[in-house]
Amino acid sequence: GENVEQHPSTLSVQEGDSAVIKCTYSDSASNYFPWYKQELGKRPQLIIDIRSNVGEKKDQRIAVTLNKTAKHFSLHITETQPEDSAVYFCAATPQRGGNKLTFGTGTQLKVEL
Amino acid sequence: NAGVTQTPKFQVLKTGQSMTLQCAQDMNHEYMSWYRQDPGMGLRLIHYSVGAGITDQGEVPNGYNVSRSTTEDFPLRLLSAAPSQTSVYFCASREPVVETQYFGPGTRLLVL
Repeated sequence: GENVEQHPSTLSVQEGDSAVIKCTYSDSASNYFPWYKQELGKRPQLIIDIRSNVGEKKDQRIAVTLNKTAKHFSLHITETQPEDSAVYFCAATPQRGGNKLTFGTGTQLKVEL
Repeated sequence: NAGVTQTPKFQVLKTGQSMTLQCAQDMNHEYMSWYRQDPGMGLRLIHYSVGAGITDQGEVPNGYNVSRSTTEDFPLRLLSAAPSQTSVYFCASREPVVETQYFGPGTRLLVL
């Protein structure tokens, strides 16, 4: 089955700096890669996603890049703000229309004033 | 729309007891899933369903049963609770074509 590794497990940045979280996946058939943000005690919420036919996607301060050859994808947050502090999860799904989403172990991002 | 709802919010069980975690969605989504979340391990798929009457196992199905008699409801049954099942359980739903998963608020389960 799919295996998703995520790094780092914790990340501390100063407000205004950029943050990068990296994930690798094992199944070359995976074609959908979402990122979720989870605040303490809350449910995971989708913040951005990318499909395997796209190399990069951007939404305001958030961007995701995908390298299919290397089987890794990354989340980039620019101009970080205190409200960006949360746990971020990457995930991969091995087939279009399938329902087996495999998550990484999460990154605790702390944005310090 | 209420989205995805889960009950109860919090439950304490004794080892060996059984219970059902309820999940419902009002978005007419065909796909529904159950995940458990443990510290340092992300979310792991327990069982999933691609439509009424159709269920399949995920990554960690042992000790759990599911059924899907309607599109709206996808209950998760713990047959004989064990301390290893102490976790936060999330239900999620999505449409078949659009991969975005919508999560419920979670159920926090403590097994003593």
